Amino acid sequence: EDQVTQSPEALRLQEGESSSLNCSYTVSGLRGLFWYRQDPGKGPEFLFTLYSAGEEKEKERLKATLTKKESFLHITAPKPEDSATYLCAALNAGNNRKLIWGLGTSLAVNP
Amino acid sequence: EPEVTQTPSHQVTQMGQEVILRCVPISNHLYFYWYRQILGQKVEFLVSFYNNEISEKSEIFDDQFSVERPDGSNFTLKIRSTKLEDSAMYFCASSRAHTDTQYFGPGTRLTVL
Repeated sequence: EDQVTQSPEALRLQEGESSSLNCSYTVSGLRGLFWYRQDPGKGPEFLFTLYSAGEEKEKERLKATLTKKESFLHITAPKPEDSATYLCAALNAGNNRKLIWGLGTSLAVNP
Repeated sequence: EPEVTQTPSHQVTQMGQEVILRCVPISNHLYFYWYRQILGQKVEFLVSFYNNEISEKSEIFDDQFSVERPDGSNFTLKIRSTKLEDSAMYFCASSRAHTDTQYFGPGTRLTVL
């Protein structure tokens, strides 16, 4: 069964304290791995798309990487405004293609 | 920057009533989606729509749900007879191609009493 698991479920950092969020996936024929940010009561906001193992994407304090089994979202020197839930989703191949979502990592950055 | 819009932002209804949730996808996108997220749970896929027909749907998307693109800009989700367990945030999304990034709207919070 296709599945996406994110860890940790919650993470509390001090401002400037770098860390990484993990997204492990088991899908039949990965067609894309997507990272989104979600603020409370809002829709997911697109961050990155990764299509093949070894690929990396970077934007400001965030960098996403992809292997054949997992993806990491690295946060360098986070600021309080980076506090949000970070969602990972995998697009599978085959006849029933859809985005399969993880539960997310709730990140809190303290000033 | 183009964005997906949704109306209403919050809908309160009585159990058994019909609701229609509305979305305006990004104008040059061809694929449209509905998702739902029950509080504290994962985002769940409901349905995808392309070329004026459903291309994929989940087990959740049963006969009480329907989607429509009534004109060149709107995309709607209808729930015919709402149940308490339909209470959730409903998100619309769109993409240019099926493997492209999906861009999400702000959501409609549906509360069924």
